[in-house]
Amino acid sequence: QQPVQSPQAVILREGEDAVINCSSSKALYSVHWYRQKHGEAPVFLMILLKGGEQKGHDKISASFNEKKQQSSLYLTASQLSYSGTYFCGTPRGGGNDYKLSFGAGTTVTVRA
Amino acid sequence: NAGVTQTPKFRVLKTGQSMTLLCAQDMNHEYMYWYRQDPGMGLRLIHYSVGEGTTAKGEVPDGYNVSRLKKQNFLLGLESAAPSQTSVYFCASSYLAGSSTDTQYFGPGTRLTVL
Repeated sequence: QQPVQSPQAVILREGEDAVINCSSSKALYSVHWYRQKHGEAPVFLMILLKGGEQKGHDKISASFNEKKQQSSLYLTASQLSYSGTYFCGTPRGGGNDYKLSFGAGTTVTVRA
Repeated sequence: NAGVTQTPKFRVLKTGQSMTLLCAQDMNHEYMYWYRQDPGMGLRLIHYSVGEGTTAKGEVPDGYNVSRLKKQNFLLGLESAAPSQTSVYFCASSYLAGSSTDTQYFGPGTRLTVL
């Protein structure tokens, strides 16, 4: 099943903060975050692991709440370069039959 | 390294025509994936492969076929294109799917329009 992302879209001014949430109906042991800029391919940001620490990528960080089966991505002091669509991916299957199920995405627009 | 490449970048088909999309990676990755991306629906997995000579169905496999004859290539075929297959298609590859540090690398995408 596809994870659920919220909000669908957010508009920020440079320097503002935002939080993107990713929820799953199934137990999670990892959450993957990708960002896609307009007209480009998705690019890996970070992986959050069960029991792992909060990760960071520049001023973009994320947390993983196993009990709530949820991950949150934090955009701090946003920059114009943060604009794009953010996807979370959650693992399905196991062993050799491993794949990611992606959420519908959250479109972030950062304005000057 | 070129990473993941896709051919062609754009294509327009008429309903009922067939075509093959080619994905190539030069990173010696075992796993390869085909996704389609439609507005508001994120990335949906069509088919994937866990190694040379293997293929498996994803979330939305109907109307598509795939082959992985060589480790570096993953082909996506549309036998009889339909307007519902108008989409942007992304190929991705990963080294060790299932590993806690696994990362998918995406190609630039193919924009397909079926009239």
